[in-house]
Amino acid sequence: AQKITQTQPGMFVQEKEAVTLDCTYDTSDPSYGLFWYKQPSSGEMIFLIYQGSYDQQNATEGRYSLNFQKARKSANLVISASQLGDSAMYFCAMREGGAGGFKTIFGAGTRLFVKA
Amino acid sequence: NAGVMQNPRHLVRRRGQEARLRCSPMKGHSHVYWYRQLPEEGLKFMVYLQKENIIDESGMPKERFSAEFPKEGPSILRIQQVVRGDSAAYFCASSQTIGQPQHFGDGTRLSIL
Repeated sequence: AQKITQTQPGMFVQEKEAVTLDCTYDTSDPSYGLFWYKQPSSGEMIFLIYQGSYDQQNATEGRYSLNFQKARKSANLVISASQLGDSAMYFCAMREGGAGGFKTIFGAGTRLFVKA
Repeated sequence: NAGVMQNPRHLVRRRGQEARLRCSPMKGHSHVYWYRQLPEEGLKFMVYLQKENIIDESGMPKERFSAEFPKEGPSILRIQQVVRGDSAAYFCASSQTIGQPQHFGDGTRLSIL
């Protein structure tokens, strides 16, 4: 069974608009962390945002926010005021096991295209 | 900048040769993780090492692949007798302790001719 599912292979958004990238996950571990990474065409993996399973509030980092809905097991990334430089591949990832966990499991990714 | 350093950034090998990928973790980090990314896919966990010890290698192929993290020097991912299917981006990450955020290097892109 897929642990991390990203159902949108590609997304288009107009510059300056907001966009939501979907991510659902599957785990029976009560302690886990959720991550989003950005991979531009140059190939590096850039950490964007983190949400812990016990965090009460949704994580935010600048223009990035994570819409964490625990009961639905979803962790969507919202990018506000899109910029041309946001065009990239975005990966949702999960690490189970709390403080003892180390394996990060990645989804297949969503390619975001920002239009001028 | 004391980030995770991987080299080389690009590596080209012919079938049957050996590939050695190096990873220097962030300063103060003693936990290293290797991931592989096939084209158009997410990263997949290969192996987790601490200094001089392999902790978990459940994601690493049993044959031809090996990893080490010696007391001195970088972590090495070694692929012997490479085949075309080994072509991928290999990422290294490090953390200060287990459970802490993993910081990724820029990856090594391995191409097999």
